[in-house]
Amino acid sequence: GDSVTQTEGPVTLSEGTSLTVNCSYETKQYPTLFWYVQYPGEGPQLLFKVPKANEKGSNRGFEATYNKEATSFHLQKASVQESDSAVYYCALSETSNTNKVVFGTGTRLQVLP
Amino acid sequence: GPKVLQIPSHQIIDMGQMVTLNCDPVSNHLYFYWYKQILGQQMEFLVNFYNGKVMEKSKLFKDQFSVERPDGSYFTLKIQPTALEDSAVYFCASSSGGAHSQNTLYFGAGTRLSVL
Repeated sequence: GDSVTQTEGPVTLSEGTSLTVNCSYETKQYPTLFWYVQYPGEGPQLLFKVPKANEKGSNRGFEATYNKEATSFHLQKASVQESDSAVYYCALSETSNTNKVVFGTGTRLQVLP
Repeated sequence: GPKVLQIPSHQIIDMGQMVTLNCDPVSNHLYFYWYKQILGQQMEFLVNFYNGKVMEKSKLFKDQFSVERPDGSYFTLKIQPTALEDSAVYFCASSSGGAHSQNTLYFGAGTRLSVL
């Protein structure tokens, strides 16, 4: 079945430094790719999604490019803030009749002031 | 944005008893999901539900689990009987579905289930 693999956390950065969270996926189809963010005590919420290969998604300074050849969707941000501390999930939506969404293991990011 | 409400936020129950977790999904959404997250671990798919039927379920969705949404009310996850390993946070999500490639899930804040 489909799967998503991402950088194992925790990742600890100082405020103002750059972030990359790697995400690779396996699927036989053409999924939509997502990044979700989960803050403590809350459910995951959509950061952004990209439905088409070779396109880029972005939100709040985060961005990722849907790389179909490399089957990757790495999350990047040039300058992180303390408020970015959260767990980040890469996910894909299978293009099947079941509308199932598969999540990666999550990467915990801690940004120090 | 759209809100999914989960009731209760925390449930403590003795092993072997029945528990029902309630989810009030986003109105006009058609697809409903349950995910399980053990503390500090990844979120794992349990089941999704559409038009009154289970669409797909994972190996974690044991025979003791069941889901339903009677007459457009709460989408519920029932566990009967509960086991110690069922202790986790259960997240409900809903989506409008439609074009399969745009399946954004909206999550509730989770119900923490503690089985003693």
